[in-house]
Amino acid sequence: KAGVTQTPRYLIKTRGQQVTLSCSPISGHRSVSWYQQTPGQGLQFLFEYFSETQRNKGNFPGRFSGRQFSNSRSEMNVSTLELGDSALYLCASSLVRADTGELFFGEGSRLTVL
Amino acid sequence: AQRVTQPEKLLSVFKGAPVELKCNYSYSGSPELFWYVQYSRQRLQLLLRHISRESIKGFTADLNKGETSFHLKKPFAQEEDSAMYYCALTGGGNKLTFGTGTQLKVEL
Repeated sequence: KAGVTQTPRYLIKTRGQQVTLSCSPISGHRSVSWYQQTPGQGLQFLFEYFSETQRNKGNFPGRFSGRQFSNSRSEMNVSTLELGDSALYLCASSLVRADTGELFFGEGSRLTVL
Repeated sequence: AQRVTQPEKLLSVFKGAPVELKCNYSYSGSPELFWYVQYSRQRLQLLLRHISRESIKGFTADLNKGETSFHLKKPFAQEEDSAMYYCALTGGGNKLTFGTGTQLKVEL
């Protein structure tokens, strides 16, 4: 069974631009969660989507948004990029709701904002 | 609000020595606790969960509600245990919250 796939793996943007990251969950998994990982803050929860509905949201500004499609694939978007948005963005899928605790992570999308 | 604290950024032990990775949490309800591990150049993956009361790769963790702790222990460290370990908490249908992680380095 293929694991969680995230694209692109690496990208470089400049301040003020926007970016869209994609996540394909494990087949059959209905929940997708997004996390921002930085050396100082660790893993910070962005949001969770379950059956195309945002189920939980973290404490990030409105510039961070996401969505989930009917095939459970998910995208997250960051608009008006800031230097501080440079991070590894991790996607994780789970069979049912993410609060069951068993998440399967992708390799991440590393975003550098210049 | 739920919070997970891992006080040590780096823990260095010798091979064969006991290991204890500390995790404390703050949560008003009934928590569910987990340990995740990330080996070098691998994905973050679930190691164990407290409700399973299982031993994985020789690691165990006991939930102590009185001390609000969920420390990860192993009696004899192995070189392959070197990795980044994250404690995580959820409860009441909330998000899964991670600690900042502890890098375990097992020296020969």
